[in-house]
Amino acid sequence: DAKTTQPNSMESNEEEPVHLPCNHSTISGTDYIHWYRQLPSQGPEYVIHGLTSNVNNRMASLAIAEDRKSSTLILHRATLRDAAVYYCILGGTGANNLFFGTGTRLTVIP
Amino acid sequence: GAGVSQSPSNKVTEKGKDVELRCDPISGHTALYWYRQSLGQGLEFLIYFQGNSAPDKSGLPSDRFSAERTGGSVSTLTIQRTQQEDSAVYLCASSAAGNSYEQYFGPGTRLTVT
Repeated sequence: DAKTTQPNSMESNEEEPVHLPCNHSTISGTDYIHWYRQLPSQGPEYVIHGLTSNVNNRMASLAIAEDRKSSTLILHRATLRDAAVYYCILGGTGANNLFFGTGTRLTVIP
Repeated sequence: GAGVSQSPSNKVTEKGKDVELRCDPISGHTALYWYRQSLGQGLEFLIYFQGNSAPDKSGLPSDRFSAERTGGSVSTLTIQRTQQEDSAVYLCASSAAGNSYEQYFGPGTRLTVT
């Protein structure tokens, strides 16, 4: 599995933007970049995914570097409910499974 | 609509006993996945079912672990002769055909082997 590197933890103040980085220097041309998050005591939930172009949805934005070796998940206004572990994952849409690393634990400070 | 459900939510068992964990995927989802998550760790892939194809069992840690999916819907993960290292949260996910990037996870079953 192609690996990703994320900071172990980050903090953000409530109602401020959060930029969660992910490095994936060994990404292949067919790998999509997926982001999931896991709230305390819950299963992971899908956040967003992209291939080359930046993506926006109701939850977040995904900014992908031109060389695709890194990406950033952007939460535009952090809320307390956004406190979770965020996983950056590589894989094709036909992948049998997603390789979850240890992710970034985001703490939101009121 | 209903999401992925799992039962039981918690299971405590004695070392050496067999356990069965159940997963009800989202109706119409043809793909079903089992993962496990040890305390403070990321998710570990166990097994994948897609329609009527042979399952991908490459993640099963030992032959004590098995899973089946009946009628293309409900799945059961069985752990025989449980060991303390099997203690973890077992997560099930499902996805629509061709959309493996968007998996919907259940709440998990917390298994404790004493």
